[in-house]
Amino acid sequence: GAGVSQSPSNKVTEKGKDVELRCDPISGHTALYWYRQSLGQGLEFLIYFQGNSAPDKSGLPSDRFSAERTGGSVSTLTIQRTQQEDSAVYLCASTRGSQETQYFGPGTRLLVL
Amino acid sequence: AQKVTQAQTEISVVEKEDVTLDCVYETRDTTYYLFWYKQPPSGELVFLIRRNSFDEQNEISGRYSWNFQKSTSSFNFTITASQVVDSAVYFCALSNFGNEKLTFGTGTRLTIIP
Repeated sequence: GAGVSQSPSNKVTEKGKDVELRCDPISGHTALYWYRQSLGQGLEFLIYFQGNSAPDKSGLPSDRFSAERTGGSVSTLTIQRTQQEDSAVYLCASTRGSQETQYFGPGTRLLVL
Repeated sequence: AQKVTQAQTEISVVEKEDVTLDCVYETRDTTYYLFWYKQPPSGELVFLIRRNSFDEQNEISGRYSWNFQKSTSSFNFTITASQVVDSAVYFCALSNFGNEKLTFGTGTRLTIIP
């Protein structure tokens, strides 16, 4: 079946603009995760959704970052007033349930100029 | 706190050689899960294996094998008879029971030279 999909695949934006990144999990997967991969910080956890609620937001780096999930499916990660240090690859993963294997999407490469 | 260390930043081997990627982890929990993911040049993280802390049996899948040793907190990955298609960055990761997030190592870039 289809894997995790993310859009856009690439995004270039100017410093100070807002961006929205989208993740479509594998059909039927109830849990969804966002991670960030950057040169300086490696792979970092951002937020975890179980259904539409986010029990763990501990990885969001600042209040400029927010995420929501609707209908237990699609999730949007929003970065407000982007900064150059937000440049990274944003990865989404999903699982059938808790403590299951996470399957990753192709990522969104964000470049803030 | 949990931590995953992949001390080998980059490894290059000639095709058909065997290669072992090291992973050492730290956790205070008794129930946890260990993973290996492959990230080829295309960028997508591809799941390879998952192990829970109660299962120390070694695993073999084709040319891939994994050696999990709780006594040394290690979960090493060996590729036998390496091929050019094995060239990628390999990540070891850890999650604790009751905590969904993955903690990743810094990855090992493996280059197979034809």
